[in-house]
Amino acid sequence: KAGVTQTPRYLIKTRGQQVTLSCSPISGHRSVSWYQQTPGQGLQFLFEYFSETQRNKGNFPGRFSGRQFSNSRSEMNVSTLELGDSALYLCASSLADSKEQYFGPGTRLTVT
Amino acid sequence: DQQVKQNSPSLSVQEGRISILNCDYTNSMFDYFLWYKKYPAEGPTFLISISSIKDKNEDGRFTVFLNKSAKHLSLHIVPSQPGDSAVYFCAAHRAGTALIFGKGTTLSVSS
Repeated sequence: KAGVTQTPRYLIKTRGQQVTLSCSPISGHRSVSWYQQTPGQGLQFLFEYFSETQRNKGNFPGRFSGRQFSNSRSEMNVSTLELGDSALYLCASSLADSKEQYFGPGTRLTVT
Repeated sequence: DQQVKQNSPSLSVQEGRISILNCDYTNSMFDYFLWYKKYPAEGPTFLISISSIKDKNEDGRFTVFLNKSAKHLSLHIVPSQPGDSAVYFCAAHRAGTALIFGKGTTLSVSS
């Protein structure tokens, strides 16, 4: 069974631009969560989607948004990029009611 | 306010010895706890978990202990191997909410 895939793996953007990251969950997994990892801050929860609906949301500004499609694939968008948005963005999928999440390799975003 | 804390940013252990990674939490509503391991340039991988109704769970070299009264859990790795060198994250689950992760502990196992 294929794991969680994320595209692109690396991205360099300029301040003020916007970016869209993509995540394909494990087949059969309907829940997708997004996390931001920065040095010393661990994994900070962004949002969770289940059956195309946002189920939970973390404490991030409205510049961060996401969506989930009917095939469970998910995208997250960051608008008006700031230098502090430079981070590893991780996507994780799980079965509908499973607490165990399976992570993708992440997208390394660098904002210059 | 950090609900899940890993107070040791790093831990160094010799190969063959025991590694003990610690995690404290503040919310008594957490019902499930997990440990993840992360290598550089990779996503975290699930290692082992424990339900709040248990106090111990074992899987090969990895054992997780839960002390609910102290709101403390620990991950024991015996014997430690150089390939165990990674960042270890503790995570906690509460019904209806997302997993909450600690900031991680970097384990270095020297041969």
